[in-house]
Amino acid sequence: AQRVTQPEKLLSVFKGAPVELKCNYSYSGSPELFWYVQYSRQRLQLLLRHISRESIKGFTADLNKGETSFHLKKPFAQEEDSAMYYCALKGNFNKFYFGSGTKLNVKP
Amino acid sequence: EAGVAQSPRYKIIEKRQSVAFWCNPISGHATLYWYQQILGQGPKLLIQFQNNGVVDDSQLPKDRFSAERLKGVDSTLKIQPAKLEDSAVYLCASSLGGEGYGYTFGSGTRLTVV
Repeated sequence: AQRVTQPEKLLSVFKGAPVELKCNYSYSGSPELFWYVQYSRQRLQLLLRHISRESIKGFTADLNKGETSFHLKKPFAQEEDSAMYYCALKGNFNKFYFGSGTKLNVKP
Repeated sequence: EAGVAQSPRYKIIEKRQSVAFWCNPISGHATLYWYQQILGQGPKLLIQFQNNGVVDDSQLPKDRFSAERLKGVDSTLKIQPAKLEDSAVYLCASSLGGEGYGYTFGSGTRLTVV
């Protein structure tokens, strides 16, 4: 069965510190993984996708099929990174499965 | 491009009343989704349309929820009668589909059932 797990509900770091938001998945096929972000009072929006291997706003995520993980990383957190982050797995028929989210709080 | 439009933004109803939400996807997006997001949880898929046909409604509580997508464009989601546990944000999303494509979400409708 498809499942996405984000073990941390809340992650607090100081500005300038490294950030890693954890995501593990369960999927029998070849996965497509995404990270979505929701800033305060804004809609859920796509942050990045593993297939494009891009860096967005300093964030990167590498798909590790051996560990079934897709952790989101940023070397130096900024206050404006404070938001809810959701890891998502794209399964059959373009159906997305979301994790429960991690709230990132970057303190000044 | 214009985003996914949803209305209303907020709705407060009493339990056992009915409510309807509306979604207008991005032009040209064949796939439309309705998600329910309960406070503290990630979005959960309720129903997925491909054009005006239903692809997946396995998690839609069909005794009280219904949805339709007229002419493969706009969609409405209805709850009748509402229960307290239906309080959530209802998100509409659309997608071109295909490898590498994500969703574009609307701003959601926050439903409070009292």
